Amino acid sequence: DVKVTQSSRYLVKRTGEKVFLECVQDMDHENMFWYRQDPGLGLRLIYFSYDVKMKEKGDIPEGYSVSREKKERFSLILESASTNQTSMYLCASSFPSGGYTFGSGTRLTVV
Amino acid sequence: GENVEQHPSTLSVQEGDSAVIKCTYSDSASNYFPWYKQELGKRPQLIIDIRSNVGEKKDQRIAVTLNKTAKHFSLHITETQPEDSAVYFCAASLYGGSQGNLIFGKGTKLSVKP
Repeated sequence: DVKVTQSSRYLVKRTGEKVFLECVQDMDHENMFWYRQDPGLGLRLIYFSYDVKMKEKGDIPEGYSVSREKKERFSLILESASTNQTSMYLCASSFPSGGYTFGSGTRLTVV
Repeated sequence: GENVEQHPSTLSVQEGDSAVIKCTYSDSASNYFPWYKQELGKRPQLIIDIRSNVGEKKDQRIAVTLNKTAKHFSLHITETQPEDSAVYFCAASLYGGSQGNLIFGKGTKLSVKP
């Protein structure tokens, strides 16, 4: 059973803080993704990675960066958190066929 | 880039009725179309998918149809049950296969009334 684990379920951070969201998958998948989920807006792609040390911008990369030093780990970084980054963040890992397995999500609140 | 439109945004049906959710996509190169179900407070989970070389796929009470010419695909749920209540997302992949990143619709909140 594929597992995608996000390190925190809930986070509260202050404006201007540097925030790290961690995601680990255990199926040796090359592909990993970060989405944010907001009511009425669905799932929007922030960044994705097809291989170690490789990263590509998604639809809304502004204010975010990522790191993929190891195949199983994909980190999302908020360089200077702002209130408009309050959201649910979902990490996903993809099967070779293209279907995703999602993590449980991290609900981030920036105050 | 790819754009996926999903309708309706909310859908309420009586238990036992059928439910249909429709999605359209913009890029004719897309060739992989999954559907995800997200129950309240839980992660989205893949429930069914279809590739562009197939017109229809069924799995028990769930079916997906694809019309490549019109660039739309639909999710059909028959004999709905209260546990079908959730938000459903359609998605399309520009590349399909191992490197495709999915573009999602905005979701449909399905409520099944007992």
